Amino acid sequence: KAGVTQTPRYLIKTRGQQVTLSCSPISGHRSVSWYQQTPGQGLQFLFEYFSETQRNKGNFPGRFSGRQFSNSRSEMNVSTLELGDSALYLCASSPGDRGETQYFGPGTRLLVL
Amino acid sequence: DAKTTQPPSMDCAEGRAANLPCNHSTISGNEYVYWYRQIHSQGPQYIIHGLKNNETNEMASLIITEDRKSSTLILPHATLRDTAVYYCIVRVVGDDKIIFGKGTRLHILP
Repeated sequence: KAGVTQTPRYLIKTRGQQVTLSCSPISGHRSVSWYQQTPGQGLQFLFEYFSETQRNKGNFPGRFSGRQFSNSRSEMNVSTLELGDSALYLCASSPGDRGETQYFGPGTRLLVL
Repeated sequence: DAKTTQPPSMDCAEGRAANLPCNHSTISGNEYVYWYRQIHSQGPQYIIHGLKNNETNEMASLIITEDRKSSTLILPHATLRDTAVYYCIVRVVGDDKIIFGKGTRLHILP
């Protein structure tokens, strides 16, 4: 089975712009979670989607949003980018029942200038 | 906040067993112990998890103490490719959110 894929792998944006990142889960997985990793804060949970609905949410401002499509693919959007949004954004998928093992993708590295 | 405590770094000689400790003294009965590792700039890789019994798979063994307050991840024959940050995570059954701590940076010495 193919693993979790994320596109793009690298991205450079400037402050004030917005960005959309994409995640394709493992085939058959219905839950997608997003995480942000920075040197200062480490790995932090953003949100989780299941059946096109946000099921869980971390402590991030409303500039961070996401959605999930009927094929379980997910996107996350960050609006009005700030320098501090520079990070590795990771997507993880799991079969769907709550609490199952999550498998991570390679991440999208975002640099905000 | 993470509910686990791990040493910030460890060294292990190549070919030897790497034993990574984790303290989770406040663990509840409905919480699993999970281990992930992250090789530089890649996504975390799932290794193993357990509730109260010891577990083994093709990558590693997980030893959980009887009182469940601590555990040890064992990589039986460490190679240079095992150099990574290892995260021990306590996760409530049925909870989709993973709370990562700072992990242990494992250096495999040739």
